Amino acid sequence: ETGVTQTPRHLVMGMTNKKSLKCEQHLGHNAMYWYKQSAKKPLELMFVYNFKEQTENNSVPSRFSPECPNSSHLFLHLHTLQPEDSALYLCASSQARGLYEQYFGPGTRLTVT
Amino acid sequence: KNQVEQSPQSLIILEGKNCTLQCNYTVSPFSNLRWYKQDTGRGPVSLTIMTFSENTKSNGRYTATLDADTKQSSLHITASQLSDSASYICVVSPFTGTASKLTFGTGTRLQVTL
Repeated sequence: ETGVTQTPRHLVMGMTNKKSLKCEQHLGHNAMYWYKQSAKKPLELMFVYNFKEQTENNSVPSRFSPECPNSSHLFLHLHTLQPEDSALYLCASSQARGLYEQYFGPGTRLTVT
Repeated sequence: KNQVEQSPQSLIILEGKNCTLQCNYTVSPFSNLRWYKQDTGRGPVSLTIMTFSENTKSNGRYTATLDADTKQSSLHITASQLSDSASYICVVSPFTGTASKLTFGTGTRLQVTL
C-alpha cells in the first residue's frame, strides 16, 4: 500500500450507532488531518495531529472523537451523529505540522440515516 | 476574512477543447497557491503549486497562472480528455500559520463529454 488509505470507503449508520473511520499513511509523515467535505462547501478542517498529539480542534462537536495512536494511524470515532453529518470525510498527512503540502486519502462517504 | 472564490461553479466542454478555470482570493499576506484535482468519490490530488513570485507553472496539459497583484489565478486545461472530468479546487496559503490557515475554494466541477 502506498500513500494514504482510508477504510471503510462507504458507511451508512443510524443516529444511535457507534462507528469508526480509519486512516493510515505510508509516507513517513508526522502530521495527520481530518477534513469534512460537504456538497458545494469548501473543505472544513476538523482536527490536526502532530507526532500523535492533537494540535488543532476546529470547534468540532464532541460526537466526533479522534484518536491517533502513532504517526501512521488516525481514527475518527463517531457516535450519535445527525443527518447533517453526512459528508465525505477525508484524511490527509503532511511531512510536518505547518503549511506543508498535504496528501489526501480517498475519503469515507458517510451517510447518517 | 480570508476567502477564495472560484468560477465557474460548473462547466461542460467537449473532448479536445480547451478551458480555463478562475480563482480569486483575498488571503494576505500570501505565500502560495495550489490547484488540486478531485475525482468523484476520491481525495484531492495536487496539480500545481505556485509561490507569490511565480506567475506560471505547467503540469502536462495543465497550466496555472498567478497574478499576485490582482490576487487572481487561473488553471488552463489544453486538449481536454474524458479523464479530466473532476472538481478542481484552489487552495491559498498565508505566509505563516498552520493548516487551519489554509483557505479552500468550493471548486469548479468540470465535465468533459464526447
